[in-house]
Amino acid sequence: EVQLVESGGGLVQPGGSLRLSCGVSGFTVSSYWMSWVRQAPGKGLEWVANIQKDGNEQFYADSVKGRFIISRDNAKNSLYLQMSSLRAADTAVYYCARAPMLRGLPRFDSWGQGALVTVAS
Amino acid sequence: QSGVTQPPSVSGAPGQRVTISCTGSSSNIGAGYDVHWYQQFPGTAPKLLIYGNINRPSGVPDRFSGSKSDTSASLVITGLQAEDEADYYCQSYDSSLSAVVFGGGTKVTVL
Repeated sequence: EVQLVESGGGLVQPGGSLRLSCGVSGFTVSSYWMSWVRQAPGKGLEWVANIQKDGNEQFYADSVKGRFIISRDNAKNSLYLQMSSLRAADTAVYYCARAPMLRGLPRFDSWGQGALVTVAS
Repeated sequence: QSGVTQPPSVSGAPGQRVTISCTGSSSNIGAGYDVHWYQQFPGTAPKLLIYGNINRPSGVPDRFSGSKSDTSASLVITGLQAEDEADYYCQSYDSSLSAVVFGGGTKVTVL
Protein backbone atom coordinates (compact mmCIF):
# COMPACT_ATOMS: atom_id res chain seq x y z
CA GLU A 1 0.00 0.00 0.00
CA VAL A 2 1.30 3.42 -0.98
CA GLN A 3 1.67 5.70 2.04
CA LEU A 4 3.00 9.23 2.48
CA VAL A 5 3.23 10.71 5.96
CA GLU A 6 4.13 14.35 6.59
CA SER A 7 5.64 15.63 9.81
CA GLY A 8 7.21 18.80 11.14
CA GLY A 9 4.29 21.19 10.94
CA GLY A 10 3.47 23.66 13.69
CA LEU A 11 3.31 27.28 14.76
CA VAL A 12 6.16 29.57 13.71
CA GLN A 13 6.64 33.32 13.95
CA PRO A 14 6.82 35.52 10.85
CA GLY A 15 10.35 35.48 9.48
CA GLY A 16 11.03 32.10 11.04
CA SER A 17 11.95 28.75 9.54
CA LEU A 18 10.48 25.27 9.55
CA ARG A 19 11.36 21.96 7.93
CA LEU A 20 8.70 19.54 6.77
CA SER A 21 9.44 15.87 6.20
CA CYS A 22 7.51 13.27 4.25
CA GLY A 23 8.19 9.59 4.77
CA VAL A 24 7.02 7.28 2.03
CA SER A 25 6.42 3.55 1.79
CA GLY A 26 4.83 1.07 -0.57
CA PHE A 27 6.71 2.23 -3.64
CA THR A 28 10.24 2.91 -4.87
CA VAL A 29 10.56 6.63 -4.26
CA SER A 30 13.58 6.96 -6.55
CA SER A 31 11.34 6.08 -9.50
CA TYR A 32 9.12 9.14 -9.08
CA TRP A 33 9.15 12.89 -9.18
CA MET A 34 7.78 14.23 -5.90
CA SER A 35 5.99 17.44 -5.02
CA TRP A 36 4.64 19.68 -2.30
CA VAL A 37 1.18 21.20 -2.66
CA ARG A 38 -0.41 23.50 -0.09
CA GLN A 39 -3.89 24.64 0.82
CA ALA A 40 -4.54 27.75 2.87
CA PRO A 41 -7.49 27.54 5.28
CA GLY A 42 -10.73 27.60 3.32
CA LYS A 43 -8.89 28.10 0.03
CA GLY A 44 -7.95 26.05 -3.00
CA LEU A 45 -4.91 24.00 -3.86
CA GLU A 46 -1.60 25.68 -4.70
CA TRP A 47 1.41 23.92 -6.18
CA VAL A 48 4.60 24.70 -4.22
CA ALA A 49 7.50 22.72 -5.65
CA ASN A 50 8.61 19.66 -7.65
CA ILE A 51 11.80 17.65 -7.46
CA GLN A 52 13.19 15.32 -10.09
CA LYS A 53 13.72 11.62 -9.38
CA ASP A 54 17.42 11.95 -8.55
CA GLY A 55 17.04 15.33 -6.84
CA ASN A 56 19.19 17.17 -9.36
CA GLU A 57 16.46 19.54 -10.54
CA GLN A 58 13.89 21.46 -8.53
CA PHE A 59 11.08 23.74 -9.62
CA TYR A 60 9.24 26.29 -7.49
CA ALA A 61 6.17 28.47 -7.53
CA ASP A 62 7.05 32.15 -7.69
CA SER A 63 5.40 32.68 -4.30
CA VAL A 64 8.06 30.55 -2.55
CA LYS A 65 11.08 30.85 -4.85
CA GLY A 66 14.18 31.89 -2.94
CA ARG A 67 12.60 31.05 0.43
CA PHE A 68 11.73 27.35 0.21
CA ILE A 69 13.97 24.43 -0.73
CA ILE A 70 12.68 21.02 -1.74
CA SER A 71 15.02 18.05 -1.32
CA ARG A 72 14.91 14.30 -1.09
CA ASP A 73 16.85 11.37 0.32
CA ASN A 74 15.95 8.33 -1.74
CA ALA A 75 17.95 6.04 0.54
CA LYS A 76 15.72 7.13 3.43
CA ASN A 77 12.52 7.15 1.36
CA SER A 78 12.00 10.75 2.36
CA LEU A 79 11.07 14.13 0.91
CA TYR A 80 11.70 17.46 2.61
CA LEU A 81 10.64 21.09 2.41
CA GLN A 82 12.86 23.63 4.12
CA MET A 83 10.88 26.82 4.60
CA SER A 84 12.46 30.11 5.62
CA SER A 85 11.44 33.77 5.82
CA LEU A 86 7.95 32.55 6.52
CA ARG A 87 5.01 34.90 6.09
CA ALA A 88 1.41 34.82 7.27
CA ALA A 89 0.42 34.02 3.68
CA ASP A 90 2.35 30.74 3.98
CA THR A 91 -0.13 29.47 6.56
CA ALA A 92 -1.58 26.32 5.03
CA VAL A 93 -1.85 22.57 5.13
CA TYR A 94 1.15 21.24 3.23
CA TYR A 95 0.73 17.98 1.35
CA CYS A 96 3.50 15.86 -0.08
CA ALA A 97 2.47 14.05 -3.22
CA ARG A 98 3.83 11.46 -5.57
CA ALA A 99 4.07 13.14 -8.96
CA PRO A 100 4.58 10.83 -11.94
CA MET A 101 5.12 12.79 -15.10
CA LEU A 102 2.79 12.42 -18.06
CA ARG A 103 3.73 14.31 -21.22
CA GLY A 104 5.78 16.78 -19.19
CA LEU A 105 3.08 17.45 -16.59
CA PRO A 106 3.03 15.92 -13.11
CA ARG A 107 -0.12 14.26 -11.92
CA PHE A 108 -0.45 13.91 -8.15
CA ASP A 109 -1.59 10.33 -7.80
CA SER A 110 -0.94 9.75 -4.10
CA TRP A 111 -1.08 12.25 -1.25
CA GLY A 112 -0.13 12.41 2.38
CA GLN A 113 -2.59 13.45 5.06
CA GLY A 114 -1.09 16.94 5.26
CA ALA A 115 0.85 18.97 7.82
CA LEU A 116 -0.51 22.26 9.13
CA VAL A 117 1.90 25.18 9.17
CA THR A 118 0.70 28.30 10.97
CA VAL A 119 2.72 31.50 10.69
CA ALA A 120 1.67 33.94 13.40
CA SER A 121 3.09 35.97 16.22
CA GLN B 1 -1.26 36.60 -15.36
CA SER B 2 -2.86 33.41 -16.59
CA GLY B 3 -4.01 30.17 -15.05
CA VAL B 4 -7.19 28.15 -15.26
CA THR B 5 -10.67 29.07 -14.03
CA GLN B 6 -13.52 27.02 -12.60
CA PRO B 7 -17.04 27.97 -11.51
CA PRO B 8 -17.21 28.26 -7.72
CA SER B 9 -20.17 25.93 -7.46
CA VAL B 10 -22.50 23.63 -9.34
CA SER B 11 -25.47 21.65 -8.10
CA GLY B 12 -27.81 18.94 -9.22
CA ALA B 13 -30.40 16.49 -8.03
CA PRO B 14 -29.53 12.85 -7.47
CA GLY B 15 -29.34 11.04 -10.78
CA GLN B 16 -28.74 14.18 -12.78
CA ARG B 17 -25.71 15.04 -14.88
CA VAL B 18 -23.46 17.92 -13.86
CA THR B 19 -20.57 19.46 -15.74
CA ILE B 20 -17.63 21.35 -14.25
CA SER B 21 -15.68 23.51 -16.64
CA CYS B 22 -12.00 24.39 -16.49
CA THR B 23 -11.30 27.37 -18.71
CA GLY B 24 -7.77 28.15 -19.74
CA SER B 25 -5.85 29.96 -22.43
CA SER B 26 -3.25 29.57 -25.14
CA SER B 27 -0.49 29.31 -22.53
CA ASN B 28 -1.93 26.30 -20.73
CA ILE B 29 -4.73 24.03 -21.95
CA GLY B 30 -4.69 25.63 -25.40
CA ALA B 31 -0.97 24.96 -25.67
CA GLY B 32 -1.65 21.24 -25.48
CA TYR B 33 -0.95 20.60 -21.81
CA ASP B 34 -3.00 17.87 -20.23
CA VAL B 35 -5.62 18.42 -17.57
CA HIS B 36 -5.99 16.34 -14.42
CA TRP B 37 -8.93 16.43 -12.00
CA TYR B 38 -9.06 15.89 -8.24
CA GLN B 39 -11.84 15.28 -5.74
CA GLN B 40 -11.54 16.52 -2.16
CA PHE B 41 -13.81 15.97 0.81
CA PRO B 42 -13.63 18.36 3.79
CA GLY B 43 -10.69 17.72 6.04
CA THR B 44 -9.10 15.13 3.77
CA ALA B 45 -6.39 15.06 1.12
CA PRO B 46 -7.32 15.40 -2.55
CA LYS B 47 -7.71 12.27 -4.64
CA LEU B 48 -6.80 11.94 -8.31
CA LEU B 49 -10.03 11.47 -10.26
CA ILE B 50 -9.10 11.92 -13.94
CA TYR B 51 -5.63 12.13 -15.49
CA GLY B 52 -4.47 12.91 -18.98
CA ASN B 53 -7.79 14.60 -19.78
CA ILE B 54 -9.86 11.43 -20.04
CA ASN B 55 -8.33 8.60 -18.02
CA ARG B 56 -9.73 7.22 -14.78
CA PRO B 57 -7.39 5.66 -12.20
CA SER B 58 -8.34 2.22 -10.99
CA GLY B 59 -11.27 2.35 -8.61
CA VAL B 60 -12.82 5.58 -9.86
CA PRO B 61 -16.45 4.99 -10.89
CA ASP B 62 -17.22 5.35 -14.57
CA ARG B 63 -19.87 8.00 -13.83
CA PHE B 64 -16.90 10.38 -13.76
CA SER B 65 -15.56 11.37 -17.17
CA GLY B 66 -13.28 14.03 -18.56
CA SER B 67 -12.83 15.80 -21.84
CA LYS B 68 -10.70 18.54 -23.34
CA SER B 69 -11.21 20.85 -26.28
CA ASP B 70 -9.27 23.91 -27.43
CA THR B 71 -8.61 26.04 -24.35
CA SER B 72 -10.91 24.29 -21.91
CA ALA B 73 -11.63 20.99 -20.22
CA SER B 74 -14.65 19.50 -18.50
CA LEU B 75 -15.43 17.01 -15.78
CA VAL B 76 -18.82 15.35 -16.11
CA ILE B 77 -20.59 13.44 -13.37
CA THR B 78 -23.46 11.37 -14.71
CA GLY B 79 -25.98 9.84 -12.33
CA LEU B 80 -25.06 12.22 -9.52
CA GLN B 81 -25.00 10.60 -6.08
CA ALA B 82 -25.07 12.10 -2.58
CA GLU B 83 -21.54 10.81 -1.98
CA ASP B 84 -20.27 12.97 -4.87
CA GLU B 85 -20.77 16.12 -2.82
CA ALA B 86 -17.22 17.46 -2.61
CA ASP B 87 -14.79 20.01 -4.03
CA TYR B 88 -13.30 19.36 -7.44
CA TYR B 89 -10.11 20.86 -8.85
CA CYS B 90 -8.59 20.88 -12.31
CA GLN B 91 -4.83 21.05 -12.80
CA SER B 92 -2.60 21.80 -15.75
CA TYR B 93 0.63 23.62 -16.59
CA ASP B 94 1.02 27.23 -17.67
CA SER B 95 4.02 28.08 -19.82
CA SER B 96 3.74 31.83 -19.27
CA LEU B 97 3.90 31.28 -15.52
CA SER B 98 6.30 28.32 -15.77
CA ALA B 99 4.18 26.72 -13.12
CA VAL B 100 1.79 23.91 -12.36
CA VAL B 101 -1.61 25.56 -11.99
CA PHE B 102 -4.80 24.55 -10.23
CA GLY B 103 -8.23 25.92 -10.84
CA GLY B 104 -9.86 27.62 -7.89
CA GLY B 105 -12.06 24.63 -7.20
CA THR B 106 -15.74 23.86 -7.69
CA LYS B 107 -18.05 22.81 -4.90
CA VAL B 108 -20.59 20.25 -6.04
CA THR B 109 -23.82 20.21 -4.06
CA VAL B 110 -26.33 17.40 -4.35
CA LEU B 111 -29.80 18.85 -3.88
